[in-house]
Amino acid sequence: DTEVTQTPKHLVMGMTNKKSLKCEQHMGHRAMYWYKQKAKKPPELMFVYSYEKLSINESVPSRFSPECPNSSLLNLHLHALQPEDSALYLCASSLRPDRAWGEQYFGPGTRLTVT
Amino acid sequence: AQKVTQAQTEISVVEKEDVTLDCVYETRDTTYYLFWYKQPPSGELVFLIRRNSFDEQNEISGRYSWNFQKSTSSFNFTITASQVVDSAVYFCALRHTGANSKLTFGKGITLSVRP
Repeated sequence: DTEVTQTPKHLVMGMTNKKSLKCEQHMGHRAMYWYKQKAKKPPELMFVYSYEKLSINESVPSRFSPECPNSSLLNLHLHALQPEDSALYLCASSLRPDRAWGEQYFGPGTRLTVT
Repeated sequence: AQKVTQAQTEISVVEKEDVTLDCVYETRDTTYYLFWYKQPPSGELVFLIRRNSFDEQNEISGRYSWNFQKSTSSFNFTITASQVVDSAVYFCALRHTGANSKLTFGKGITLSVRP
């Protein structure tokens, strides 16, 4: 099973709402990632969790709050977002954080629209 | 610093044509890893291939082939006898060794295969 699942598939939220994105994998991967992708651009790394600990935060605004409750789950909590935060949010995982050769497996993404 | 350049932005071919997607990279590291990902309209990035810097063997997988040349810092991808299902955005990416290394993506190439 090489699947990363993400829910919801689509999300529309107002600027005052609080919502969460969820990502799950059951491949035993110990590195999990959040990426943001704008239209016609490559994915941009936001956060990396290594063995359930936050190891990289790419200077992401605090209105995005990641959480890794266990080795299979990754959440991204959203609060007071701006319209420019509208994008495709991709979750990915890889076997071990220290294995740079390990390919990342991506989920289908959550398409977020902030109104 | 590392960089991936995909100079072609959009390519359009007719079904059954062969097409080559170019990727040129820059890195100061001697050990690094190169990847190709496919992103169909559904949004999910699909891993296609990984190549490490010490392995210059070309690879063929069905209609797909990859040509890695360290002398020109290139890792090109050829699709033989293209099909409509090959229509997608293709990203080349680079990652060096180290626990906190990140995937550096090129800007992507949009391939349209017309019937």
